Amino acid sequence: NAGVTQTPKFRVLKTGQSMTLLCAQDMNHEYMYWYRQDPGMGLRLIHYSVGEGTTAKGEVPDGYNVSRLKKQNFLLGLESAAPSQTSVYFCASSTTIQAGYTFGSGTRLTVV
Amino acid sequence: SQQGEEDPQALSIQEGENATMNCSYKTSINNLQWYRQNSGRGLVHLILIRSNEREKHSGRLRVTLDTSKKSSSLLITASRAADTASYFCATAKPGGGADGLTFGKGTHLIIQP
Repeated sequence: NAGVTQTPKFRVLKTGQSMTLLCAQDMNHEYMYWYRQDPGMGLRLIHYSVGEGTTAKGEVPDGYNVSRLKKQNFLLGLESAAPSQTSVYFCASSTTIQAGYTFGSGTRLTVV
Repeated sequence: SQQGEEDPQALSIQEGENATMNCSYKTSINNLQWYRQNSGRGLVHLILIRSNEREKHSGRLRVTLDTSKKSSSLLITASRAADTASYFCATAKPGGGADGLTFGKGTHLIIQP
């Protein structure tokens, strides 16, 4: 009963470095999402996917790229990290775009 | 931009008391959902109420929805220390449109033993 698994849980990057956050779900959900959570800002949608091979931009997509080559995985990439991308990143999945979401436990990213 | 706004931002009550938090939103919705987030953890889905429903119960949780006022409330009865967490409302757009759920900024609930 893994649900949604995010790796890594913590990461410190230097400005300009790149990295990929991995999200994996074992519930056969069609929809997957990446959110960032910042103090006082709530959760903001970065990118989402409505099925294998599809991606779409959310509210704050700049500086991020995503890929969904397999239905169970949704990758979030930072090509050139900036301090403004210091945040906690959450992946989620759902059966439909209006159903309840299952969240991962988050990745705490610090960019110095 | 935030769709839902929770009120109050923070709430501290004694164990055993009831906790009520509110959510207001701006545009039409398909449904409204409440989530709990314990410190340092991911969000957990609590309850979903559809736009044609007025009240829903799940264990010690009671959710109401007033679409005319564009507001919802979450009531936790007989609170426990384990209920200490942040609670978020999230709205889903009508018509199965894109963009997924829009979350509010949350209410931080502290249950004093």
